[in-house]
Amino acid sequence: QKEVEQDPGPLSVPEGAIVSLNCTYSNSAFQYFMWYRQYSRKGPELLMYTYSSGNKEDGRFTAQVDKSSKYISLFIRDSQPSDSATYLCAMRNSGGSNYKLTFGKGTLLTVNP
Amino acid sequence: EPEVTQTPSHQVTQMGQEVILRCVPISNHLYFYWYRQILGQKVEFLVSFYNNEISEKSEIFDDQFSVERPDGSNFTLKIRSTKLEDSAMYFCASVATSSSNQPQHFGDGTRLSIL
Repeated sequence: QKEVEQDPGPLSVPEGAIVSLNCTYSNSAFQYFMWYRQYSRKGPELLMYTYSSGNKEDGRFTAQVDKSSKYISLFIRDSQPSDSATYLCAMRNSGGSNYKLTFGKGTLLTVNP
Repeated sequence: EPEVTQTPSHQVTQMGQEVILRCVPISNHLYFYWYRQILGQKVEFLVSFYNNEISEKSEIFDDQFSVERPDGSNFTLKIRSTKLEDSAMYFCASVATSSSNQPQHFGDGTRLSIL
């Protein structure tokens, strides 16, 4: 079983739609969960950073973590064409932030005007 | 906002040649990383570096790879004898401290093409 699984899509939605992106994982030691956005030919840009289970909201973005199910989600409300990018989930063990990240494969999202 | 910078953006090299990828991490950061992303695949951890030594390395990071922080600002990844399968995007990342709430910040990567 892969450590982190993410549906690669592609996912195409109309402008204004609610987008749901998901990852599952198998390693119970993962405690910190991140969502990065990656535009074409650019590096990963941090969107959301959460610890353990629960929700975190930042503007149009909401991150959810369900450790009991080993499942994390990113919701984008009122999606915009500028949200078109690849979304990567990443996670790491507890302890210091110097621990390595394990990534999902990324979901390619296109928001159509 | 401070950022991680990587040079060159694209490097084309003949198989068997040595290549050095360069990174300037964010200035007050202490932990440095290299990750690799082969086209269509996941971003994969290669190596982490702290206090002038390797903290952790993956099985990908074999004897052909080395890292160095030659001065107070640069962080380099060297591949001694490149192979076709080394073709990938290479990302440098840094983090300020080991405090748990600090995320890793990534550069825009170097696209390495091995011919």
